[in-house]
Amino acid sequence: DVKVTQSSRYLVKRTGEKVFLECVQDMDHENMFWYRQDPGLGLRLIYFSYDVKMKEKGDIPEGYSVSREKKERFSLILESASTNQTSMYLCASSPSGGNEQFFGPGTRLTVL
Amino acid sequence: GIQVEQSPPDLILQEGANSTLRCNFSDSVNNLQWFHQNPWGQLINLFYIPSGTKQNGRLSATTVATERYSLLYISSSQTTDSGVYFCAVLYSGYALNFGKGTSLLVTP
Repeated sequence: DVKVTQSSRYLVKRTGEKVFLECVQDMDHENMFWYRQDPGLGLRLIYFSYDVKMKEKGDIPEGYSVSREKKERFSLILESASTNQTSMYLCASSPSGGNEQFFGPGTRLTVL
Repeated sequence: GIQVEQSPPDLILQEGANSTLRCNFSDSVNNLQWFHQNPWGQLINLFYIPSGTKQNGRLSATTVATERYSLLYISSSQTTDSGVYFCAVLYSGYALNFGKGTSLLVTP
């Protein structure tokens, strides 16, 4: 079974803090993704990566950066957290060729 | 971009009832997935179904790509089926485009 894990299920941070969200997949997938989910807005893509050290902006990259130093790990970084980044963050992975995506359990981030 | 519309937005069923959820999309797609989001927020893969019909236990799905829709059937519903069901399509590039979901509540 494909397994995607995220470092935290719940996280509370203060405005201005630097926040790291970690995602690890164990299926040797080339593609990895970060989405955020908000009521009324659905799931929106923040960033994705199709290979180590490669990244592409999604629909809402402002305020975020990413890092992919190893194939299995994709990190989302909030350089200076703000209250409007309070959200559910979901990581996903898929093999090359745009096939089926698999999601992690999600991280509920609250920024105070 | 592509539009993904799901219906109905909300559904309440009694345990044991059957239901059909619909997903319409506005353009040709490369793949289509159905997910169930559980109360803890995790997206569970139900079907990867760019075309044709698949079945998994009480659930089945059909995608008619030429007519740009997909259907998810839930038979003999159980309270554990409650949650939000999402349809998502791969239109261009790598990332999925999600519908707004159908919120299902199954009552005892």
